[in-house]
Amino acid sequence: SQKIEQNSEALNIQEGKTATLTCNYTNYSPAYLQWYRQDPGRGPVFLLLIRENEKEKRKERLKVTFDTTLKQSLFHITASQPADSATYLCALGKGAGRALTFGSGTRLQVQP
Amino acid sequence: EAGVAQSPRYKIIEKRQSVAFWCNPISGHATLYWYQQILGQGPKLLIQFQNNGVVDDSQLPKDRFSAERLKGVDSTLKIQPAKLEDSAVYLCASSLSTDEKLFFGSGTQLSVL
Repeated sequence: SQKIEQNSEALNIQEGKTATLTCNYTNYSPAYLQWYRQDPGRGPVFLLLIRENEKEKRKERLKVTFDTTLKQSLFHITASQPADSATYLCALGKGAGRALTFGSGTRLQVQP
Repeated sequence: EAGVAQSPRYKIIEKRQSVAFWCNPISGHATLYWYQQILGQGPKLLIQFQNNGVVDDSQLPKDRFSAERLKGVDSTLKIQPAKLEDSAVYLCASSLSTDEKLFFGSGTQLSVL
């Protein structure tokens, strides 16, 4: 069956360091992958979209990679700040109008 | 631009009661989704509308859940009768079209006692 795996354990890092979050998937052929940020009591907020024919995407301090051979996406936040503390969700899209399938998310805690 | 509006924000009911949630998507967004998010898990799709037609309701427990999107704008999700395992946050999202980024509302937190 289709599976999307994100680290269930929280990631704790020091301010200024680079945070790297992992999203692995099995039995899935996504046309694109999206990353969202979710704060407690709020809905997810879109961050980045990367398509299957793209290796890397950047936006300010954020970088996403997509390796369809390894079936993995990495999400990086450089020069992390305490305000980056949140849960980060990856979501896979098959395209052709199909809805996104979300992973369970990884909680990031940036210590000042 | 106004975001996705959902109400109520919180709801507490007893099992076997019924409950309804309302969603008003971003103006002009053709696609509307209802997701269920259980504590500690990611959002799980319940139903997807394109305008006022259903695209995917394969994961909607149709014996107790129903949803409609009249006139292709607002949507209502209903649970009747509710079970304890329905306790979750119900998120509404909309997008300009399919295969685009989603805009989420703040959700309705449902507690079934």
